Amino acid sequence: SAVISQKPSRDICQRGTSLTIQCQVDSQVTMMFWYRQQPGQSLTLIATANQGSEATYESGFVIDKFPISRPNLTFSTLTVSNLSPEDSSIYLCSVDRGYSYTFGSGTRLTVV
Amino acid sequence: QKEVEQNSGPLSVPEGAIASLNCTYSDRGSQSFFWYRQYSGKSPELIMFIYSNGDKEDGRFTAQLNKASQYVSLLIRDSQPSDSATYLCAVGVNYGGSQGNLIFGKGTKLSVKP
Repeated sequence: SAVISQKPSRDICQRGTSLTIQCQVDSQVTMMFWYRQQPGQSLTLIATANQGSEATYESGFVIDKFPISRPNLTFSTLTVSNLSPEDSSIYLCSVDRGYSYTFGSGTRLTVV
Repeated sequence: QKEVEQNSGPLSVPEGAIASLNCTYSDRGSQSFFWYRQYSGKSPELIMFIYSNGDKEDGRFTAQLNKASQYVSLLIRDSQPSDSATYLCAVGVNYGGSQGNLIFGKGTKLSVKP
């Protein structure tokens, strides 16, 4: 399975600011997925990032709030913009290597 | 809206017993099914996947799939306190033959008592 390096592992941010999360994969993958896990909840897909094209966002998530970059086949960033306390969650990136969906270690975001 | 349903628990079993975790899904066309274990404060880790009807065994874990009933389960034999975690059932979204993202259930919290 793929190895994913995700950072930062945690951050505390002021409301109104932004946080950019990075994921680096040890091999090339076509799609990278970004999920959110709110406290005590399961994982919800934010968007799918394909290299060379705009990310595809799920219902309830918009590009202005969650801009994503995918400059190459091993790297992606998710920015959470204009932070509010409701954005306090764990954010995870994930890739699929043939029925082996692997997750990054997650970024725990607290907005104060 | 594709949905994955799990009993949130908590499910409590004594050490050495069999833990049975269940999951149902709404999309009859789903083809791949996954079980993840998530310890508190950690990211999910894949236990196993299954895509054919029947049983699939890996060590102490057995996944069971019944597509007619849209039901998938995970059995953990000889449960250990270290198995105490939240177990997430996930269903793969298929885009015309290409594997897409996963849809997750809310998870079942398992507690194995020594």
